Amino acid sequence: GAVVSQHPSRVICKSGTSVKIECRSLDFQATTMFWYRQFPKQSLMLMATSNEGSKATYEQGVEKDKFLINHASLTLSTLTVTSAHPEDSSFYICSARVLQGADTQYFGPGTRLTVL
Amino acid sequence: RKEVEQDPGPFNVPEGATVAFNCTYSNSASQSFFWYRQDCRKEPKLLMSVYSSGNEDGRFTAQLNRASQYISLLIRDSKLSDSATYLCVVNRNNQFYFGTGTSLTVIP
Repeated sequence: GAVVSQHPSRVICKSGTSVKIECRSLDFQATTMFWYRQFPKQSLMLMATSNEGSKATYEQGVEKDKFLINHASLTLSTLTVTSAHPEDSSFYICSARVLQGADTQYFGPGTRLTVL
Repeated sequence: RKEVEQDPGPFNVPEGATVAFNCTYSNSASQSFFWYRQDCRKEPKLLMSVYSSGNEDGRFTAQLNRASQYISLLIRDSKLSDSATYLCVVNRNNQFYFGTGTSLTVIP
């Protein structure tokens, strides 16, 4: 399957700082990437859809000024959590959409964010 | 009504057992269907796509019933390594909708 990397895998930061998470498609070009958040024992929650070269589409209830998404190239999308607070602590996962027969998506390994 | 609904379980089965999961989706315009597997504190990984004709991959069989709007996953001869959460995923208009997942524990 297609390979998606995410960096960093784990980050601990102080409240009020900003954290940048990178998502890369390693062996294919991804015109669309998705950003999800998952709290313990809950399902993935889509935060936003990131399209290369255009503004991200945010889901209802997700603050676009707090979660900045940039998809500047066909292989890289970034999510910046600005002025992080403890309630932002979560598992953030990106995925990239692949068109090969059945339209599907492959996930990055996730970033575990802990805000102190 | 949720886009995708799954029984969260947990399903606790002995090694070697056969176990089946079902998933229902609410929108008949849904276009493609998948089962993902997620291990604890890891990302979801694609297990298999689901086709109307049904498809099999080793011990795993997936089926889609468009008339009743449900998807199933059958695991035969369960292994300890099958223990995970199984996510039902539906794609409609380039948007992916996730079920909450069904937890499976295979017991020695």
